[in-house]
Amino acid sequence: DTEVTQTPKHLVMGMTNKKSLKCEQHMGHRAMYWYKQKAKKPPELMFVYSYEKLSINESVPSRFSPECPNSSLLNLHLHALQPEDSALYLCASSRAGHGQGANEQYFGPGTRLTVT
Amino acid sequence: SQKIEQNSEALNIQEGKTATLTCNYTNYSPAYLQWYRQDPGRGPVFLLLIRENEKEKRKERLKVTFDTTLKQSLFHITASQPADSATYLCARWGGSQGNLIFGKGTKLSVKP
Repeated sequence: DTEVTQTPKHLVMGMTNKKSLKCEQHMGHRAMYWYKQKAKKPPELMFVYSYEKLSINESVPSRFSPECPNSSLLNLHLHALQPEDSALYLCASSRAGHGQGANEQYFGPGTRLTVT
Repeated sequence: SQKIEQNSEALNIQEGKTATLTCNYTNYSPAYLQWYRQDPGRGPVFLLLIRENEKEKRKERLKVTFDTTLKQSLFHITASQPADSATYLCARWGGSQGNLIFGKGTKLSVKP
């Protein structure tokens, strides 16, 4: 299995809702990432988990809350989002732990989030 | 600041020609550069990684070069096909955080 899966594919939520994005990989990768991508922009790093521990939080607002229940799963909990948070949210994984070399990253297909 | 730049937002070429995309970096020397392909509404797909001590890397119709004197990486697609149409992202690996930082990307359109 060489893919990263993400659910749901699309999500529409109101500003008072609570929802979660899910990501899964079964490649035995030790680092997992959340990125945010706006239209016609490159992906921007949000969080990095390395060996199931939060390694990097790129000054992301607290309305985004990551969770890594085990080495294969990564969640992003969303609460009280703003319309400007609408974007494509990408999950990725890499073989070695974060900072242990320039491993290529494997990306999921993304979740298209719309905040109304 | 440590920038990575893809100066061409878009590149249009004819099928069969070689597409050449450019990635420039300033104020630092990245240990590695990576190239990804991204189709609309999809996640990026890794293509090639080149280290600073490597001048060239190839994979099928793809070739990447790394010129530390010019502070530039070139990405070539030979015998281009309409199916090669996509956005190509250059990414650097390095810095204190060891993060992957992407350039803005170049949208390649290959016309039949």
